[in-house]
This record gives sequence, structure tokens and C-alpha cells, in this order.
Amino acid sequence: GAGVSQTPSNKVTEKGKYVELRCDPISGHTALYWYRQSLGQGPEFLIYFQGTGAADDSGLPNDRFFAVRPEGSVSTLKIQRTERGDSAVYLCASSPSSGGGAGELFFGEGSRLTVL
Amino acid sequence: AQSVTQPDIHITVSEGASLELRCNYSYGATPYLFWYVQSPGQGLQLLLKYFSGDTLVQGIKGFEAEFKRSQSSFNLRKPSVHWSDAAEYFCAVVPNSGYSTLTFGKGTMLLVSP
Repeated sequence: GAGVSQTPSNKVTEKGKYVELRCDPISGHTALYWYRQSLGQGPEFLIYFQGTGAADDSGLPNDRFFAVRPEGSVSTLKIQRTERGDSAVYLCASSPSSGGGAGELFFGEGSRLTVL
Repeated sequence: AQSVTQPDIHITVSEGASLELRCNYSYGATPYLFWYVQSPGQGLQLLLKYFSGDTLVQGIKGFEAEFKRSQSSFNLRKPSVHWSDAAEYFCAVVPNSGYSTLTFGKGTMLLVSP
């Protein structure tokens, strides 16, 4: 597709379950970002990939959160032992380069996660 | 501490009236500055950005923003608001140090009344 695609758009799960959220960036974009947006807040940075490697994972809140991008394209955000506080919209963005400082991030519509 | 602040949680403007959304930052050096818009059911979209040079920058959809170093501000403006401008607006910064991650403010929700 032409834009950043995120699946699922909505995910409802029970506390303690494992969740995977997928991001398909714009073709050719080397930089990929995950953000989390809680109700009434701005997006909060989680992790940034440049190619296949995580260039900055300082925003991951704890070791229950993990993300991969094995082939430098699609990325998966993985959350283990989900907690109610993990409920949020998870946003993915991509950029042709390390875009945060010099260019534009292209965002997907997000995956809304609800933990019951 | 480094931060970006949007003082107004929500603003209501009449259609056709002018708009100004406030953004203040607290960084040691002037960061790169951005405004994004988030419309219902859509992803965040870049409206405009400031890196250096002319302090008045033009963006898409008729928006502009003015960088004021003395006030550490980067306010977003539009001369005449349309109903389709109703959305949430986020100011964002990147420290001018080669670090690539955007830091967002908490956002301002714009409501447009007829």
C-alpha cells in the first residue's frame, strides 16, 4: 500500500496474555518508529529502528515489551504478560532516513490495544 | 528538564475566525520544531517544520507557525478556520544534536463551531 499499515486496528485481550502488533512501513523507508499514545496524551516514543537494528530502545517501559524488524521492513511489537496499564493506541511511523531530525515521519492509523 | 508544552488542552473557534495554538519548549539549544495534526480515523500528519532561517514557516492546509527564540515558542496560526480543521494538534521537537527521536506535547484539541 501507499502508506504505513498497522494491524490489527483493534485488539482486546485479557490481563496476562501475549500480544503482537504489526507494522508495515512505506516501501523503501529505512527508519521505523514505535510510539504509544494513551488517552489525553501525546505520543510517547518506544523504539526506533534503522534498518534491521534497534538504534534506540530507551522508550520501552520494561522487559515485557520487545520489538523486532528482522528483514528491515515489517516490524512487530511484542508485549508479554499484558497489564491493564498497557491499554493505549500503539503508533508506527516510518521515514526515508533517520527522519526525526531532518525530515518527516509518516504515521499509520495505529493499533488500539485494550487489556481487560 | 527538556520538555515541550502545549498549555491549552482544547480550544473552540468559530468557523472563519483566526486560530493560534501555543507551543513552548524547554531545551538548552533551539531544537528542530514540528507541528502535526491528528484527525479522527487518520494517522498523524506533518503540517510544517522549522530547522533554521526564516522564523515564519508556511505549511500545508493554510497553516503557518512563527518561531520566537526569546519566548521559546513555536505557535501555530491560521487566518480563517474551516470546519474540516477540527482535529487534535501536536507540537513536537527534536533536540538539535543529531538525535532522531521526536518528543511530542500533550496536544490541543481544536473544536470548530458553526
